[in-house]
Amino acid sequence: GDSVTQMEGPVTLSEEAFLTINCTYTATGYPSLFWYVQYPGEGLQLLLKATKADDKGSNKGFEATYRKETTSFHLEKGSVQVSDSAVYFCALTSTGTASKLTFGTGTRLQVTL
Amino acid sequence: DAGVTQSPTHLIKTRGQQVTLRCSPISGHKSVSWYQQVLGQGPQFIFQYYEKEERGRGNFPDRFSARQFPNYSSELNVNALLLGDSALYLCASRGQGHTSYNSPLHFGNGTRLTVT
Repeated sequence: GDSVTQMEGPVTLSEEAFLTINCTYTATGYPSLFWYVQYPGEGLQLLLKATKADDKGSNKGFEATYRKETTSFHLEKGSVQVSDSAVYFCALTSTGTASKLTFGTGTRLQVTL
Repeated sequence: DAGVTQSPTHLIKTRGQQVTLRCSPISGHKSVSWYQQVLGQGPQFIFQYYEKEERGRGNFPDRFSARQFPNYSSELNVNALLLGDSALYLCASRGQGHTSYNSPLHFGNGTRLTVT
């Protein structure tokens, strides 16, 4: 079945540091890939997505590239801010199951001054 | 515009009891999905409803059931509660057809269920 593996957290960075959160996946067919963010006390928000190989999703300074050859979708940001502190989830949907998201376990990011 | 709204926000129940959670999708959204998020884990898919019909079900026991109403709101019911059912239950809605990849899922803030 489908699965998503994320690097474990928490990840603690100083403001303006470079961020990478690793994500690899296993899926049948051609999945769409997503990063969601969850701020404390809130639901999940879509951060970015990519629907086919070599697509790059980007939003709010975050980027991730769909790498079919390595089955990866790593999240990066060049300069993190304190306001980026949250839990980040990598997720996928397989062909024909667009509402069924399979999530990773989440990576907590803590950014300090 | 209002986002996805869920009620109640918090709930405490005893083992063996039954619970009903409610969700109102974004206006115009016809697809509603339910997810269970256990503390420290990613959300797990429970159900999807589109146009009042069940379109997908995750690996959950029959104690879990759901329905969608003509106004596209939805209820999730859990019978014979177990301690392991303690979790954040998330509802999400989508604007296009139930197989559309182009329309993102919009999540509510969830209902925190504690079973004692």
